[in-house]
Amino acid sequence: ELKVEQNPLFLSMQEGKNYTIYCNYSTTSDRLYWYRQDPGKSLESLFVLLSNGAVKQEGRLMASLDTKARLSTLHITAAVHDLSATYFCAVASLAGTASKLTFGTGTRLQVTL
Amino acid sequence: DVKVTQSSRYLVKRTGEKVFLECVQDMDHENMFWYRQDPGLGLRLIYFSYDVKMKEKGDIPEGYSVSREKKERFSLILESASTNQTSMYLCASSLIPGQRATSTDTQYFGPGTRLTVL
Repeated sequence: ELKVEQNPLFLSMQEGKNYTIYCNYSTTSDRLYWYRQDPGKSLESLFVLLSNGAVKQEGRLMASLDTKARLSTLHITAAVHDLSATYFCAVASLAGTASKLTFGTGTRLQVTL
Repeated sequence: DVKVTQSSRYLVKRTGEKVFLECVQDMDHENMFWYRQDPGLGLRLIYFSYDVKMKEKGDIPEGYSVSREKKERFSLILESASTNQTSMYLCASSLIPGQRATSTDTQYFGPGTRLTVL
C-alpha cells in the first residue's frame, strides 16, 4: 500500500525567509504532483514532476523529485504573505488507464509579516 | 480552462437520507474521481471512473456508490447517510496519461461540497 508522508504538518515562517517542505513516499512511482489549497477553496495544481531529477520552478516555489530516494521537496524562497496556504503532495500509481493519486496530509504554511 | 463543477457548495442532510452529489466536467476527460477531505487526513479516494459506466473502488468506498452514465458527469451516492460521512467532498477529472501531446494526467478539482449529516 502506497503511503505518502509530508513534513512539517504546520509551518510558520517570516516573510523573506526560505524553507523546504518534504514529501516521502513508500513505493516506486515516477510521477508526483504538488497542489495548493487556500482556505475554503479547492485544490490548484502547482507542479507535475514526471521523472527522476525533475525540477520545476514558478515564482518563489521550486519543486524537485528524487525517485531513487522516493523524496520530493517544495522549496520556498523569500516567502511572502500570499504564499500562505496548505500544500499537498500526491503520488501517482496506475490503475487501468487512470492514475490514482495518494495524497500526503498536507503542510499548512503561514507566512507572517 | 478546465472547469469542474459540483452541484452544491453546502449541503445539510439527516441520518438515513439518500444523498446525491453531482460533478460535471467540460474538458472531455476520461477519468473522474471522488475524494473526501478531513482535517489531518488529507484527501482520500472514494471511487474513480476511467470510462462511461466503468467504476473502480478507491481506498475508502464503504458506504458510498457512484454512477457515470455520461462522460462528463460523475455522481457520488450515499445510500443512507451517517454522521461519520460529514466531510468535504471533492470531485476531480483528468486525461489518460499521455493521451494528448504534451498533456499530463494532472487532476483538476471542483470547488467541493461541504456535507453535514445531522
